[in-house]
Amino acid sequence: ETGVTQTPRHLVMGMTNKKSLKCEQHLGHNAMYWYKQSAKKPLELMFVYNFKEQTENNSVPSRFSPECPNSSHLFLHLHTLQPEDSALYLCASSQEGTALQHFGDGTRLSIL
Amino acid sequence: DAKTTQPTSMDCAEGRAANLPCNHSTISGNEYVYWYRQIHSQGPQYIIHGLKNNETNEMASLIITEDRKSSTLILPHATLRDTAVYYCIVRVLSGSARQLTFGSGTQLTVLP
Repeated sequence: ETGVTQTPRHLVMGMTNKKSLKCEQHLGHNAMYWYKQSAKKPLELMFVYNFKEQTENNSVPSRFSPECPNSSHLFLHLHTLQPEDSALYLCASSQEGTALQHFGDGTRLSIL
Repeated sequence: DAKTTQPTSMDCAEGRAANLPCNHSTISGNEYVYWYRQIHSQGPQYIIHGLKNNETNEMASLIITEDRKSSTLILPHATLRDTAVYYCIVRVLSGSARQLTFGSGTQLTVLP
């Protein structure tokens, strides 16, 4: 139990579907992150939220749309994804400014 | 953040010490060395971090050379559950919320 919960754990969707990934942290942290991990590649940062404000967007395509309604919840809305978007999507949280990030176990996304 | 270099893979016999090296020759004076690991199908997990003194916690020990250009993570009595990818990351301790830059890491396989 890492204190960061991601749902669903697995998701299969077609390219025309719309779905959302959810992340919830119970650690009282104020920074949250989305990472993407493709097969055989290092983790890539997608978005950073600090006190609910997006502070970093690593040139992520607009078909990925993050939402952070409060410091405990983070969503990643998905629409018209491509097969190359199939990957493990990881959420993390930390106290603002520290490198001690706590990760969830990710959502394994498959695009048909 | 300074770049790190790690071996691609290592094997270790169960019950023996696992010594994982990391080179970070361009590390700056205010950068810390962090170690994370990622067990298959899970998110990365923080292990330990240090600046220049050796550090030990319940999971591992971190030995940093005097010139700080390299370090070694030591798992004193490796078990099969320690099989994972181990990441060495160098960055400042605090600042505005920002990502961890994960490289390819070292795949440690603990053999029975």
